[in-house]
Amino acid sequence: DIQMTQSPSSLSASVGDKVTITCRASQDISNHLAWFQHKPGKAPKSLIYAASSLQSGVSSKFSGSGSGTDFTLTISSLQAEDFATYYCQQNDAFPFTFGPGTKVDIK
Amino acid sequence: EVQLVESGGGLVKPGGSLRLSCAASGFTFSNAWMTWVRQAPGRGLEWVGRIKRNADGGTTDYAAPVKGRFTISRDDSKATAHLQMNSLKIEDTAVYFCCLGSGYSDFDYWGQGTLVTVSS
Repeated sequence: DIQMTQSPSSLSASVGDKVTITCRASQDISNHLAWFQHKPGKAPKSLIYAASSLQSGVSSKFSGSGSGTDFTLTISSLQAEDFATYYCQQNDAFPFTFGPGTKVDIK
Repeated sequence: EVQLVESGGGLVKPGGSLRLSCAASGFTFSNAWMTWVRQAPGRGLEWVGRIKRNADGGTTDYAAPVKGRFTISRDDSKATAHLQMNSLKIEDTAVYFCCLGSGYSDFDYWGQGTLVTVSS
């Protein structure tokens, strides 16, 4: 199985901060990488697919980059509604696997 | 607006069965690929399996831990996907989410999940 790692595992940030989360795959997955936002008790939300394509209806403050094994999710200016856990996921090969998550909370 | 509503979760004994449903609205369901993902207590997200739309063969794929025990099906006439879970184990305890793939990815939209607890 393809292993996904994320760093950091958690971070504290202030409203207005730029936040960057890194995701690494254990093998080359091309651009078959997605990012999701999850708040407790809520439905997870798709942010980015194909590494850098913004999901319909998602704010442009979210951006994704990378290919191969190294990927990044950036939130350009953190807002109150962005405090959540963020997961990356590879969809290059079965089983599709998720990273362990990065929890973003308020400093 | 696409909405997904899961139902059917609950408490079941090890070795028992449960059938989850995912009712979709706001999208032409017959065009959707449907996926199930679970999250065990205090753990991350785990892909369970998916079913393609019938136009693409309606085939299914499963994660190794559930293969042979879980079955995903779909009823396009009712815009509903199902997850039949047999021979349940304690480690199947989780919140189960359904996801709808509208063409961009398998995970374009998610439901809020339904809790399955396997315990004696």
